[in-house]
Amino acid sequence: EVQLVQSGAEVKMPGESLKISCKASGYSFPSFWIGWVRQKPGKGLEWMGIIHPGDSDPRYSPSFQGQVTMSADNSFSTVYLQWRSLKASDSGIYYCARHPIVSQPDYWGQGTLVTVSS
Amino acid sequence: DIQMTQSPSSLSASVGDRVTITCQASQAIKNHLNWYQQKPGKAPNLLIYDASNLKAGVPSRFSGSGSGTDFTFTISSLQPEDIATYYCQQYDNFPLYTFGQGTNLEMK
Repeated sequence: EVQLVQSGAEVKMPGESLKISCKASGYSFPSFWIGWVRQKPGKGLEWMGIIHPGDSDPRYSPSFQGQVTMSADNSFSTVYLQWRSLKASDSGIYYCARHPIVSQPDYWGQGTLVTVSS
Repeated sequence: DIQMTQSPSSLSASVGDRVTITCQASQAIKNHLNWYQQKPGKAPNLLIYDASNLKAGVPSRFSGSGSGTDFTFTISSLQPEDIATYYCQQYDNFPLYTFGQGTNLEMK
């Protein structure tokens, strides 16, 4: 059974760093893209970017380029999303999804709620 | 970036109604459009890809059409379980994908 299990909710202060995870199971991890989507509280979906674990080369939406870092660890079948210095505007739910075709997600994680507040 | 203008932003309909949502791209995107359903507290769920192709397992009351800049999503006969927010997403230029603002569908 394909599963994407994301790390738990986080509460951080502005300026802190953070790394959240998306652990895949039930399929060949290096063979499928993993994309990330943000949803701010009460708002719509924002496409962040996508990474292929096979080459670990992330592709970012311009809105998120330089703001976050995507990475993959094939040893742990896990993709990460990382911030060096959080801002309040980074608060939201972050979803990962598997993409068998780069434009089409099929399985989703449950989401990770990130709250950045002083 | 390609902007997606989705309308209406909210919609109230009754069981059995035909529901239509539109999405307009700021430039031509061929048929490179997805439609998603998102229920409260849940991840989005892909319903339609390539503007008009129904994902396997999605009820046939859902449909999509359009190409170029103008797209339509239709629920032919609204069911109570269809209450959700619906989003379009263009994928014409990898990786510069963008979502529409969403349509909140409520039961009348």
